[in-house]
Amino acid sequence: KNQVEQSPQSLIILEGKNCTLQCNYTVSPFSNLRWYKQDTGRGPVSLTIMTFSENTKSNGRYTATLDADTKQSSLHITASQLSDSASYICVVTLYGQNFVFGPGTRLSVLP
Amino acid sequence: GAGVSQSPRYKVTKRGQDVTLRCDPISSHATLYWYQQALGQGPEFLTYFNYEAQPDKSGLPSDRFSAERPEGSISTLTIQRTEQRDSAMYRCASSLYSASGTQETQYFGPGTRLLVL
Repeated sequence: KNQVEQSPQSLIILEGKNCTLQCNYTVSPFSNLRWYKQDTGRGPVSLTIMTFSENTKSNGRYTATLDADTKQSSLHITASQLSDSASYICVVTLYGQNFVFGPGTRLSVLP
Repeated sequence: GAGVSQSPRYKVTKRGQDVTLRCDPISSHATLYWYQQALGQGPEFLTYFNYEAQPDKSGLPSDRFSAERPEGSISTLTIQRTEQRDSAMYRCASSLYSASGTQETQYFGPGTRLLVL
């Protein structure tokens, strides 16, 4: 069983619509949880970073939430744009420097 | 090999010296990533390779940082004229190549802990 799971595996939405991506994790204790965006052919870029004590963090149209009790995080994208088409990866960093990548959600935004 | 290996595991250097870190990926993996990880933080992307090509090096923090993968297997990350702020863990990861752009699982090496005095 993966320690960090993401859903859905892939998602197609129309431009301008909102969407929410999910990340469930079993690893603990962790020092922070990050959401990355990875465009095709590019490396992953960090969108948000949250410690276990933070509930929400925003970066423009991206808003991440964290529920440490249920071990769930979500990434909400508002008013999607074509440039949002990418893979979104949830990464949990453990104390002691280890980290676990989720498998990612592939988002396609269509005009 | 069985997994991703990195060397050295620890490196202590004086400010101004050059250092070269090595990554030996899983033999079947065409894609190789370099990350920098500050203490208590998750990985920050530096650059990556598909075989010997380097499509994205936008994460390299300055021109003192460079990476090579001349034969599409082993890769090196070189930091010239090191500064104290370069102190961090440098992690390498490899994955299968995906022509479609879908994400393949990244397998991480143990990292090189760099300390610049």
